[in-house]
Amino acid sequence: NAGVTQTPKFRVLKTGQSMTLLCAQDMNHEYMYWYRQDPGMGLRLIHYSVGEGTTAKGEVPDGYNVSRLKKQNFLLGLESAAPSQTSVYFCAGRGGGTDTQYFGPGTRLTVL
Amino acid sequence: AQRVTQPEKLLSVFKGAPVELKCNYSYSGSPELFWYVQYSRQRLQLLLRHISRESIKGFTADLNKGETSFHLKKPFAQEEDSAMYYCALKGTSGSRLTFGEGTQLTVNP
Repeated sequence: NAGVTQTPKFRVLKTGQSMTLLCAQDMNHEYMYWYRQDPGMGLRLIHYSVGEGTTAKGEVPDGYNVSRLKKQNFLLGLESAAPSQTSVYFCAGRGGGTDTQYFGPGTRLTVL
Repeated sequence: AQRVTQPEKLLSVFKGAPVELKCNYSYSGSPELFWYVQYSRQRLQLLLRHISRESIKGFTADLNKGETSFHLKKPFAQEEDSAMYYCALKGTSGSRLTFGEGTQLTVNP
């Protein structure tokens, strides 16, 4: 039982490059979330999903896209990376009958 | 709009001293509040929720609707309490949380 996992752990991109971050969970979570963590700004919600095939915008969705084709996976895409997207990205999952969000280990992304 | 504010980015205390991490919120309805903690090199995890009225690792937090606060307290801090603490609010949309800016607590020996 791996819980919530994120791939990759680290990545360095050049401005304009694209990439996809994968979040996978084996806890049967209905809800999944993508956050970014920046010093002094806390955790900010990028996008989230309330179930397979659904996505919704969070506080800071611009420059990101997401997909939830399978219940266990939630993908975060950057189509054209910018230095302002340098951050630590966290994925989280939550079951339908609980308030507790379970977080992944994070992905540290640097955009040069 | 809902908002969570943690006024202290950094907080440093000595072992055995009391500690209080402040959290204020703005929300027009009936909020549900949480404290999450991130220890060094570990994942962010739930510490406690106000509904449970529980004490976890010696920490307690009381929801004060009059002052719109949910401060986290511990009477005697330990070195292993050193971590980043986030206050979070579940409000209008029951499916998401709004997090504060976080407070980095350091407990010195």
